[in-house]
Amino acid sequence: SQQGEEDPQALSIQEGENATMNCSYKTSINNLQWYRQNSGRGLVHLILIRSNEREKHSGRLRVTLDTSKKSSSLLITASRAADTASYFCATETGYGNKLVFGAGTILRVKS
Amino acid sequence: EPEVTQTPSHQVTQMGQEVILRCVPISNHLYFYWYRQILGQKVEFLVSFYNNEISEKSEIFDDQFSVERPDGSNFTLKIRSTKLEDSAMYFCASSPNSPSGQPQHFGDGTRLSIL
Repeated sequence: SQQGEEDPQALSIQEGENATMNCSYKTSINNLQWYRQNSGRGLVHLILIRSNEREKHSGRLRVTLDTSKKSSSLLITASRAADTASYFCATETGYGNKLVFGAGTILRVKS
Repeated sequence: EPEVTQTPSHQVTQMGQEVILRCVPISNHLYFYWYRQILGQKVEFLVSFYNNEISEKSEIFDDQFSVERPDGSNFTLKIRSTKLEDSAMYFCASSPNSPSGQPQHFGDGTRLSIL
C-alpha cells in the first residue's frame, strides 16, 4: 500500500503568498516528518510531528497532523523564491527506523 | 554544521559490474541508512544499519546489495552485479541516537548510471 501521498503534485504561487501541501497515509505512525529537496541535492529535514501532537510551528512553517484522518498538512507562510523546491512527507512506523516517503509536491515560488 | 558527505557525485558503470558507493556520516551519529530515488519516483528505503549490523532492509535490498562500515567513518553500499534498473540517485543518511523520532540527515547523493 502507498504511504505518504502528497497533494497537490505541483504548486505555483507568487512570492509572499502562503503555500499549503497535504499528505495522507494509510497505517499507524510514530511520527511524520517533512523534508525539502532542492534540485540535484539531498533531502533537508524541516519539521517532525509526533503521533500525539496536533500542530507544530517552526519559523514560517506550520504542520498539522490529524491521526483520525491519517493526514498532515504543511503550511509555508510568506513564501520566498528560495522556497522553490520539492517537499516530501515521510512517515515512521512501528519499531523500525525507516522512513516511507510520499511522491512529493513541487513548489515554485515566482518573484 | 556537520554534513553527510557522499562520493562520487556521479558514477557511470557498465551493466554487470560491481559498484561501491561511499558515505561519511556525521561523526557522532549511530544509525545509518541508504535510500534510492529512481528518476521521477519516490525516495525508497533500502537498508538501515546500527551497531555494525543491518537492523532493517527492504525487498529491494536483495543479495546483490551489501553494506559495510569498514572503519570508524565510512559507510558503503556495494552492488555486486549492476542492472539497468539500478540506475538511480542513492542517498545516505544518518541519525544520532535512538532512531525513532529523530530527523535523518541526508547527503547530496550519488547519481548511478548503468549503461
